[in-house]
Amino acid sequence: DAGVIQSPRHEVTEMGQEVTLRCKPISGHDYLFWYRQTMMRGLELLIYFNNNVPIDDSGMPEDRFSAKMPNASFSTLKIQPSEPRDSAVYFCASSLGFLADNKAKNIQYFGAGTRLSVL
Amino acid sequence: GNSVTQMEGPVTLSEEAFLTINCTYTATGYPSLFWYVQYPGEGLQLLLKATKADDKGSNKGFEATYRKETTSFHLEKGSVQVSDSAVYFCALSDKDSSYKLIFGSGTRLLVRP
Repeated sequence: DAGVIQSPRHEVTEMGQEVTLRCKPISGHDYLFWYRQTMMRGLELLIYFNNNVPIDDSGMPEDRFSAKMPNASFSTLKIQPSEPRDSAVYFCASSLGFLADNKAKNIQYFGAGTRLSVL
Repeated sequence: GNSVTQMEGPVTLSEEAFLTINCTYTATGYPSLFWYVQYPGEGLQLLLKATKADDKGSNKGFEATYRKETTSFHLEKGSVQVSDSAVYFCALSDKDSSYKLIFGSGTRLLVRP
């Protein structure tokens, strides 16, 4: 399997522009997670999906951020309008199962990330 | 709430030195514990895990033992290599956090030849 695939790897944009980050999870995985990594705040979970349905978006910083998962093999994270403080590395991860009675399934596989710079 | 505390880095060692990266956690239940590694320019990879007290996770020469009495999950390796240079993240997952991964702040390891 190719693993979790994210695109683009790098994105440079100007303040106010719309940014769309893309993720293809591992085939068969039913959970998908979006994280943001910065020096100041470390790794933050933004949102996660189960079977394409958003379950917890409490980490989404504000209304400028939105995420969708139209099908089991694709998800997007959109920032509109973007601001310089959104500059970070955004990771997508997927996992098979997330069940209380099977802790061994709670292993998340990460993509290589998208490095976003908002000027 | 649940949390993970890691020793601050960077940790700089010579090749073949012994490595310890400390990790302690706070959780009300019985969490699963993980170490993830992030190599430069890459995403996080699971290094090892333990799901119950006294379990020892191991992989690629790294080990960590789930110590409930001290709420710790320290990462160790007997002889580090230059290729081990990376950022290491300790994480937990349990019922009280809805099984989401709670990460520590990460510890950067630099191994010199």
